[in-house]
Amino acid sequence: ETGVTQSPTHLIKTRGQQVTLRCSSQSGHNTVSWYQQALGQGPQFIFQYYREEENGRGNFPPRFSGLQFPNYSSELNVNALELDDSALYLCASSLYPGARNNIQYFGAGTRLSVL
Amino acid sequence: AQKVTQAQTEISVVEKEDVTLDCVYETRDTTYYLFWYKQPPSGELVFLIRRNSFDEQNEISGRYSWNFQKSTSSFNFTITASQVVDSAVYFCALSEPNTGNQFYFGTGTSLTVIP
Repeated sequence: ETGVTQSPTHLIKTRGQQVTLRCSSQSGHNTVSWYQQALGQGPQFIFQYYREEENGRGNFPPRFSGLQFPNYSSELNVNALELDDSALYLCASSLYPGARNNIQYFGAGTRLSVL
Repeated sequence: AQKVTQAQTEISVVEKEDVTLDCVYETRDTTYYLFWYKQPPSGELVFLIRRNSFDEQNEISGRYSWNFQKSTSSFNFTITASQVVDSAVYFCALSEPNTGNQFYFGTGTSLTVIP
């Protein structure tokens, strides 16, 4: 086990709704990254949080937003859900960006279905 | 442009056969990191190996071995004497310090080991 926990494990929403996904990072890690993995695809980088600030963002619209808390846990919020947002959302924790031994450790993910 | 290419979408082997999973990457940076992750049906990405761009030594860990060749921009993964428990989707990934160490994943290779 990586020590990275995500909740909930599964979620069903309807188009237009909003959703919040949560992630607790591994002890000693202060950086959290979020990825979206569509069925049959590799994970796509959404954004990364370091010291409660966004530190890099992939090609996702502004309705994807996030937060990081002082204990380094993080939330991913998605507004105005679309059918294409249906995917597995993965959270990864790691040491600070640029660390020599920077490995990302992943949680089991939240599977979001948008109907 | 796709930074990581895993041309093999699906591979099936009979138990105890050897299998090689291919990974080709693209980067302009001189410093970068390459990774392999395993994703079982549970969804969690399990870290297997990290290799930096300055270390072209091949690595062996039990039945797993990795061949890194900068000349061909490849980082291939071989499983020797495959077992049913090796059945999973395997992802190759690239990170570049210049882009905040976000991970670029390939589309994955689904390996099925038949008993």
